[in-house]
Amino acid sequence: DTEVTQTPKHLVMGMTNKKSLKCEQHMGHRAMYWYKQKAKKPPELMFVYSYEKLSINESVPSRFSPECPNSSLLNLHLHALQPEDSALYLCASSLLQGVYNSPLHFGNGTRLTVT
Amino acid sequence: SQQGEEDPQALSIQEGENATMNCSYKTSINNLQWYRQNSGRGLVHLILIRSNEREKHSGRLRVTLDTSKKSSSLLITASRAADTASYFCAGAMEYGNKLVFGAGTILRVKS
Repeated sequence: DTEVTQTPKHLVMGMTNKKSLKCEQHMGHRAMYWYKQKAKKPPELMFVYSYEKLSINESVPSRFSPECPNSSLLNLHLHALQPEDSALYLCASSLLQGVYNSPLHFGNGTRLTVT
Repeated sequence: SQQGEEDPQALSIQEGENATMNCSYKTSINNLQWYRQNSGRGLVHLILIRSNEREKHSGRLRVTLDTSKKSSSLLITASRAADTASYFCAGAMEYGNKLVFGAGTILRVKS
């Protein structure tokens, strides 16, 4: 079992819907990440939060909106998505950003399908 | 863009055999990490090797790093059916505070 919890596990949404993905960790980690993973591909970085502030945005379209309400929670708000946004969305955390000696702890992901 | 290219893309072996996966990367790294992903699950960190290290062991895992060739290898000894998974290398880029994943190797261990 993972120490990073993601909900929901599966989500099906229409292109006009608004939904949110949630991620929670209680390891005291101060960096949290969103990755997107398409089938048979590696994870691709979307956002990084460090000490609850957005540190990296990998030029992600504005239909994806991250939020970090506190050091344990990370949300990803979804609006007006496209079918090509269907993927596994992975949340991860690490003790600190900078990853020098700080491996990532991943949740099991949310499988998103956009219809 | 991906940092690492992995070789082979897929590997099928018998239980008890050793499995070797290779990773090459393009830019300078601070460290290189290996992760395992079981089907439909999240990634699990396996081992981290720093840029000033050449070899590291953890249980049945052995990782090497050659910074002059910008390459790394992961050896899993005495493989088990439970080792069946995708394996990704990930380079911690020296600049930019990013961890960038390679394409991955799909390992299948037949019992």
